[in-house]
Amino acid sequence: GAGVSQSPSNKVTEKGKDVELRCDPISGHTALYWYRQSLGQGLEFLIYFQGNSAPDKSGLPSDRFSAERTGGSVSTLTIQRTQQEDSAVYLCASSPRGGRFETQYFGPGTRLLVL
Amino acid sequence: EDKVVQSPLSLVVHEGDTVTLNCSYEVTNFRSLLWYKQEKKAPTFLFMLTSSGIEKKSGRLSSILDKKELFSILNITATQTGDSAVYLCAGDSGGGADGLTFGKGTHLIIQP
Repeated sequence: GAGVSQSPSNKVTEKGKDVELRCDPISGHTALYWYRQSLGQGLEFLIYFQGNSAPDKSGLPSDRFSAERTGGSVSTLTIQRTQQEDSAVYLCASSPRGGRFETQYFGPGTRLLVL
Repeated sequence: EDKVVQSPLSLVVHEGDTVTLNCSYEVTNFRSLLWYKQEKKAPTFLFMLTSSGIEKKSGRLSSILDKKELFSILNITATQTGDSAVYLCAGDSGGGADGLTFGKGTHLIIQP
């Protein structure tokens, strides 16, 4: 079946502009995660949605970052007033129930470059 | 379409055993291969491999890449119960529509 999809695949923006990144999880998966990977770094956790519960925002690096998940499915990660250090690959993953050892299915990522 | 296949999908061994996890890839414009350990919400980065035949080591973990045969292995020696996790392999094409392609992971369980 269809996997996790993300759009756009690449985004180049100017410093100070807002960007919106989209994630379509696997149908029926209740858990959705956003991560980012900066050049040469590991995955940095950003935010976690589980069903209709309040999201775990503990990983968001600043108040310029926000995310929402509408109808328990599609999620949007918004970065306001982008900075050059926001340049990274933004990855979305989903899993059936969000269990600790449950495999997360990753999308292809959105490569963001802030000039 | 880029593809990463990991094997086995699951593995149960006893503490002290040595395990080898496999990852084969077909990635257009291949740039690097990444290994992660996932046990809580966020996968932990283990290795990035870009050159063939050069082993990378971190404690009891080691990994090597074969760019001719398009595969990588992750070895864990003297396994401990704390090694129980899902191990993910990902191929990086350096951009474009395929981006990072993840395998389905190997679920490793270490029994005391």
